[in-house]
Amino acid sequence: AQSVAQPEDQVNVAEGNPLTVKCTYSVSGNPYLFWYVQYPNRGLQFLLKYITGDNLVKGSYGFEAEFNKSQTSFHLKKPSALVSDSALYFCAVRGLGGSGSARQLTFGSGTQLTVLP
Amino acid sequence: EAQVTQNPRYLITVTGKKLTVTCSQNMNHEYMSWYRQDPGLGLRQIYYSMNVEVTDKGDVPEGYKVSRKEKRNFPLILESPSPNQTSLYFCASSLTQTSGARGRELFFGEGSRLTVL
Repeated sequence: AQSVAQPEDQVNVAEGNPLTVKCTYSVSGNPYLFWYVQYPNRGLQFLLKYITGDNLVKGSYGFEAEFNKSQTSFHLKKPSALVSDSALYFCAVRGLGGSGSARQLTFGSGTQLTVLP
Repeated sequence: EAQVTQNPRYLITVTGKKLTVTCSQNMNHEYMSWYRQDPGLGLRQIYYSMNVEVTDKGDVPEGYKVSRKEKRNFPLILESPSPNQTSLYFCASSLTQTSGARGRELFFGEGSRLTVL
């Protein structure tokens, strides 16, 4: 079965500092990896994805993520955090194997990012 | 405007009283899915639909029903709600998610907060 771990429930960072939100995964075969963001009282919004190719993926709002196959990680990063980046971030994975439900997207438990002014 | 629309956004009901949460998308997406979001558990998939008249169980289907009679609509039905179904529900859609297209990102509705007393 595929799974996603976001080891930190909460990440606090000062505005202007770099931020990292961690994600590790377990899946059969090569993964499809995603990051979504949820602002208060809103639905999830797509940030970026890794399908294949360059391990460093760039997405919306200046975010990027690095795929590391040996460490099975897909950490979200941003060089300089903004207060407006404060939100709930979800990592998700979809594997290539299995059938039915096993091919669906599996989400992590989420990490609350707070950027302090 | 491209969107996924859920109704109602907020609902308080009592145990055993049947309810339906509607979901409609205007993007001509083949794939639709329902998730529930609970603190510390992230998003868990309830049911999904690959296309009209094709539905399948996700990870937590017990107590729920769905139908996909039209491409744009994917209602979630709680025949006899119980307090453990108190949750935040999200509908999502995307272009086809067949085996060769699993990298498509999901578009989410704004969520429906359900409380069962």
